[in-house]
Amino acid sequence: QVQLVQSGAEVKKPGSSVKVSCKASGGTFSSYAISWVRQAPGQGLEWMGGIIPIFGTANYAQKFQGRVTITADESTSTAYMELSSLRSEDTAVYYCARVPFRQQLVGVYFDYWGQGTLVTVSS
Amino acid sequence: DIQMTQSPSTLSASVGDRVTITCRASQSISSWLAWYQQKPGKAPKLLIYKASSLESGVPSRFSGSGSGTEFTLTISSLQPDDFATYYCQQYNSYPITFGQGTRLEIK
Repeated sequence: QVQLVQSGAEVKKPGSSVKVSCKASGGTFSSYAISWVRQAPGQGLEWMGGIIPIFGTANYAQKFQGRVTITADESTSTAYMELSSLRSEDTAVYYCARVPFRQQLVGVYFDYWGQGTLVTVSS
Repeated sequence: DIQMTQSPSTLSASVGDRVTITCRASQSISSWLAWYQQKPGKAPKLLIYKASSLESGVPSRFSGSGSGTEFTLTISSLQPDDFATYYCQQYNSYPITFGQGTRLEIK
């Protein structure tokens, strides 16, 4: 059974950066894409981007281009999402989610999700 | 970007009811649509993929249909555990987009 365990809640100042981790277990990490989806308080779901660990190349939603960096460490089966230049509108729960197909990052849905990480941006 | 519009935004129903949630895409997405269930404070859970394929372990009272621009999620007989928020997601085109959600509440 695949499990994705994310790092804990963060409180950040506007203009700073946050890095959230997502550790996978119970499956083959390297070949399956991990995406990041966020959810602002009381709002819907927003896809940010993803990565296929074995290739190391990430794909980002245009809205977040230049502010988000998604990486993966195959040796620890962990994916990371770093968001910079934080503003209050970035306050949200950030989820990592696994794609159920090998080596595919586009045209996908998500079968396993992490528990979510609350990032609060406040001065 | 493809816009996904769900209706209704909120649905009140009773245990045992048959309910239907609609999701419309701003352009054709063939059958590349997934449905998720989300409970408060929890991550979304995959219910349906490719418009009508039931994810393993999901009760058979959940079903999906549609293609092109109009899709439905039907729950044949509501159970207490089904009261939650439901989201559709298109994966036909970059970027992946979600509907705004339908909150299913107890009448």
